[in-house]
Amino acid sequence: DVKVTQSSRYLVKRTGEKVFLECVQDMDHENMFWYRQDPGLGLRLIYFSYDVKMKEKGDIPEGYSVSREKKERFSLILESASTNQTSMYLCASSETWGFTDTQYFGPGTRLTVL
Amino acid sequence: GQQVMQIPQYQHVQEGEDFTTYCNSSTTLSNIQWYKQRPGGHPVFLIQLVKSGEVKKQKRLTFQFGEAKKNSSLHITATQTTDVGTYFCAPSYGKLTFGQGTILTVHP
Repeated sequence: DVKVTQSSRYLVKRTGEKVFLECVQDMDHENMFWYRQDPGLGLRLIYFSYDVKMKEKGDIPEGYSVSREKKERFSLILESASTNQTSMYLCASSETWGFTDTQYFGPGTRLTVL
Repeated sequence: GQQVMQIPQYQHVQEGEDFTTYCNSSTTLSNIQWYKQRPGGHPVFLIQLVKSGEVKKQKRLTFQFGEAKKNSSLHITATQTTDVGTYFCAPSYGKLTFGQGTILTVHP
């Protein structure tokens, strides 16, 4: 079974802090994704990566950056956290270059910014 | 960007009743995926539809892809309490774009 893990289930940070969310997948997948999930808005894509050190902006990249130094690990960075970034963050991976491959999700990190 | 409309946003049913959620796009899709997210859980892949007019079944779940490949539906026959959760369609516009989801509540 594909396993996608995220570093924290719950996280509380202060406005202005730098926040790192880590995601690791164990199936040698090419593609990795970061989404945020808010009530009534579904899943919105923040960034994705199709290879090590490669990244592409998703639909809502403002206020976020990402890092992919190793194939199995994809990090989401909030340079200066703000209250409107309070949300559930979900990481996902998929096997091949085609972005429409099945995505496997991690358990999510619920981030609260005070 | 590309958008998909998923309706209804909420659905409350009595156990044993049927349930349908619809996903509509203004443009033609190459394929569409469906995911289920249990309360407190993460989205889990259910199925992918690729062909025009395609119908696939998984036990009590029936998935359809429209003839014009602009809409899709998920129908659950005789809902059970284990069906509760949020159902997302994820059409492909080159990359996956998730719908807003339909939250299903099943009353025993």
